[in-house]
Amino acid sequence: DVVMTQSPLSLPVTLGQPASISCRSSQSLVHNDGNTYLDWFQQRPGQSPRRLIYKVSNRDSGVPDRFSGSGSGTDFTLKISRVEAEDVGVYYCMQGTYWPRAFGQGTKVEIK
Amino acid sequence: EVQLVESGGGLVQPGGSLRLSCAASGFTFSKYAMSWVRQAPGKGLEWVSSFSGTTSNTYYADSVKGRFTISRDNSKNTLYLQMNSLRAEDTAVYYCAREWQFDAFGQGTLVTVSS
Repeated sequence: DVVMTQSPLSLPVTLGQPASISCRSSQSLVHNDGNTYLDWFQQRPGQSPRRLIYKVSNRDSGVPDRFSGSGSGTDFTLKISRVEAEDVGVYYCMQGTYWPRAFGQGTKVEIK
Repeated sequence: EVQLVESGGGLVQPGGSLRLSCAASGFTFSKYAMSWVRQAPGKGLEWVSSFSGTTSNTYYADSVKGRFTISRDNSKNTLYLQMNSLRAEDTAVYYCAREWQFDAFGQGTLVTVSS
């Protein structure tokens, strides 16, 4: 099974400053169809998860452009260009290339 | 607007059964794969099971294989999860999610397995 490893697991950030979360997979996430199924989710305190980014770098509708995704193969990154108070929560990466689906452990973003 | 509303959670004893439902609206349900994702208290997200939208293919996490059964009724726009032989470690909030890559989640329903 594919294992997803995120770092850091805790990320204190200053409002208005950038933040970056790394996600690594135990094997390449390039699917036979040529796509790379790596997604990012945000879970604010007390809320359901919400998808932010799909297939590495595509923002979902309504997601602010301060969120961006990048990477390839086994190494991926979620960046927040300028952290706002509403960005507090836990962020998860997930691979959708193989069965079983696998999430990373989660990265808790908090304001310093 | 896509809406997913889970129901059926509750307190059940170890070894017991429970059936969760997810009522979908705002999209053509039959065309979409649907999934269940759970979150144990204070823990991360765990994929549980998925059901194809266009075929009858189903997929299960090893942790629930043989105990849980996913099904759907496209005439009722509803996804189900039949959970048998429940264990304490199945205690979690269960979310239904749309598509293979979870582009929408419901609000979740809490399942507590305890004596």
